[in-house]
Amino acid sequence: AQSVSQHNHHVILSEAASLELGCNYSYGGTVNLFWYVQYPGQHLQLLLKYFSGDPLVKGIKGFEAEFIKSKFSFNLRKPSVQWSDTAEYFCAVTRNSGNTPLVFGKGTRLSVIA
Amino acid sequence: GAGVSQSPSNKVTEKGKDVELRCDPISGHTALYWYRQSLGQGLEFLIYFQGNSAPDKSGLPSDRFSAERTGGSVSTLTIQRTQQEDSAVYLCASSLSAGGPDTQYFGPGTRLTVL
Repeated sequence: AQSVSQHNHHVILSEAASLELGCNYSYGGTVNLFWYVQYPGQHLQLLLKYFSGDPLVKGIKGFEAEFIKSKFSFNLRKPSVQWSDTAEYFCAVTRNSGNTPLVFGKGTRLSVIA
Repeated sequence: GAGVSQSPSNKVTEKGKDVELRCDPISGHTALYWYRQSLGQGLEFLIYFQGNSAPDKSGLPSDRFSAERTGGSVSTLTIQRTQQEDSAVYLCASSLSAGGPDTQYFGPGTRLTVL
């Protein structure tokens, strides 16, 4: 079965530090990749997505992610985090065979301290 | 434009009671998904509707769970004889489903507490 692994359960960073959150998936075929964010008290929002083309994708709020097919990875990065980035981040995958349900990682909680 | 809406936002019920959760997808979106978010299990898929096709029920955890989608729009998730382990946030998402890969947009969820 398809699975998604997020290796960091809780990350604590100071403001202006750089961020990288790991995401690996297990499916061997073509996939669509997503990062969603859930700010405290808010619903899931799309940060960025990869369907095809340039493996380096840019999303909202200065986030980017790189798809490395050979490593089955889709890590999320931000060069300088802000306190407002405190949230839970979810990596998710769908198979590229039409619309299929998202398979989510367990999430990474990011706490940014001043 | 209007996003996915869900009601109620919070529901507290007693063990053994039935509950109904409602989802209004984004207008024009033909695909609708239900997920459950709980502390121990993370985000899990429950059921998926695509147009007039038979729903994909492969994620439903037991036969106490069912869902329907009327007129290709609003969906209702029903949990019969609720148990304490059903306590979770139930999320609905919709997508355009115009062919090819798609993005799912999520509602705010219904927080269900079973006492």
